[in-house]
Amino acid sequence: NAGVTQTPKFQVLKTGQSMTLQCAQDMNHEYMSWYRQDPGMGLRLIHYSVGAGITDQGEVPNGYNVSRSTTEDFPLRLLSAAPSQTSVYFCASSPDFLGTEAFFGQGTRLTVV
Amino acid sequence: DAKTTQPPSMDCAEGRAANLPCNHSTISGNEYVYWYRQIHSQGPQYIIHGLKNNETNEMASLIITEDRKSSTLILPHATLRDTAVYYCIVRVAGGTYKYIFGTGTRLKVLA
Repeated sequence: NAGVTQTPKFQVLKTGQSMTLQCAQDMNHEYMSWYRQDPGMGLRLIHYSVGAGITDQGEVPNGYNVSRSTTEDFPLRLLSAAPSQTSVYFCASSPDFLGTEAFFGQGTRLTVV
Repeated sequence: DAKTTQPPSMDCAEGRAANLPCNHSTISGNEYVYWYRQIHSQGPQYIIHGLKNNETNEMASLIITEDRKSSTLILPHATLRDTAVYYCIVRVAGGTYKYIFGTGTRLKVLA
């Protein structure tokens, strides 16, 4: 049981490049989300999904797209990378919203130069 | 979701109880209190959650005041491995699924 797996662990992009951060969970969880964490700050919610085919915006969605075609996968796409998107990105999943815990991946450290 | 207030940092001697406070004065009746921690730059780790009753598990105890406006996370015998940032979060059990993280309390356990 791998839990929540994020790839890659590290990535360097040039300004204007696009890329997809992958997130997969093997726990059959309905709920998945993406956060970013800037140095010295807490996590901020980017996008989340309450099930396959359903996504919604969080606190800081600009510059990011998501889709949820399967229960297992929730990729985060950077459309045109900017230095302001340099951050650590965390993916999380949860079985439902009825007071249960969320499981987090180990993060992707992204640097945009 | 209600906003939480936590002290930015705390120290605790190894082997002693660590008591981490959290204020959530605008909490609604259907909002749970959750605690997570983040060690170094790893992904946050769930610790405990509760609605109105005190809760205990193998990691910690959660004490929620009767009016639910504040709570305390208790690590009964802190070890060096408990050094982390601790986040107190309140969220509705239902509706949209989202945790809103604040900046947390940086707990340093001293040898």
